[in-house]
Amino acid sequence: AAGVIQSPRHLIKEKRETATLKCYPIPRHDTVYWYQQGPGQDPQFLISFYEKMQSDKGSIPDRFSAQQFSDYHSELNMSSLELGDSALYFCASSLGSATGEQYFGPGTRLTVT
Amino acid sequence: GQQLNQSPQSMFIQEGEDVSMNCTSSSIFNTWLWYKQDPGEGPVLLIALYKAGELTSNGRLTAQFGITRKDSFLNISASIPSDVGIYFCAALNYGGSQGNLIFGKGTKLSVKP
Repeated sequence: AAGVIQSPRHLIKEKRETATLKCYPIPRHDTVYWYQQGPGQDPQFLISFYEKMQSDKGSIPDRFSAQQFSDYHSELNMSSLELGDSALYFCASSLGSATGEQYFGPGTRLTVT
Repeated sequence: GQQLNQSPQSMFIQEGEDVSMNCTSSSIFNTWLWYKQDPGEGPVLLIALYKAGELTSNGRLTAQFGITRKDSFLNISASIPSDVGIYFCAALNYGGSQGNLIFGKGTKLSVKP
């Protein structure tokens, strides 16, 4: 079965640079979520989109923005990168949100130097 | 804010042993989920629970939704080496319109030396 696709899998950036992470949800899933996971930490919710509209916002810094496009893929844009932004970034998708069943992608490992 | 208290933090298993872990919260949740994460990979959904008192199985895994809706338990029977990894409990949080997941800190399963 098709899973969530994330690209790139690994990204190395320098401080103050920008980064764009992409997420392609499971076909027919209409909701996308972004999570950040620091080393040895649990995933922390950043932001979500339902039917191309932002639906919920978590602990996402103002330097980050995201959107969901007409084909339901989503992009997380990160500017003025800081060392503390180094983490695994996961995208998850679901069909609506009533069941809570979110399916995670393999993640993008961002390293800021 | 809302948080999930997951225990134990880590445990060692010997092949064939049964394993138990749990998650508690001071808040009521209507959906509990259990995920497994391997190093550098995304969390994989194991079991989702929707009803207080519900007991659900997935192969050797059995999870229960506590009657108070403030806790959940995961049991793994007859553990095998591939059970090694980090297990996260998660609860569906309707802070906004669509809901997002909050996670416990994880239980790390390792093989007994």
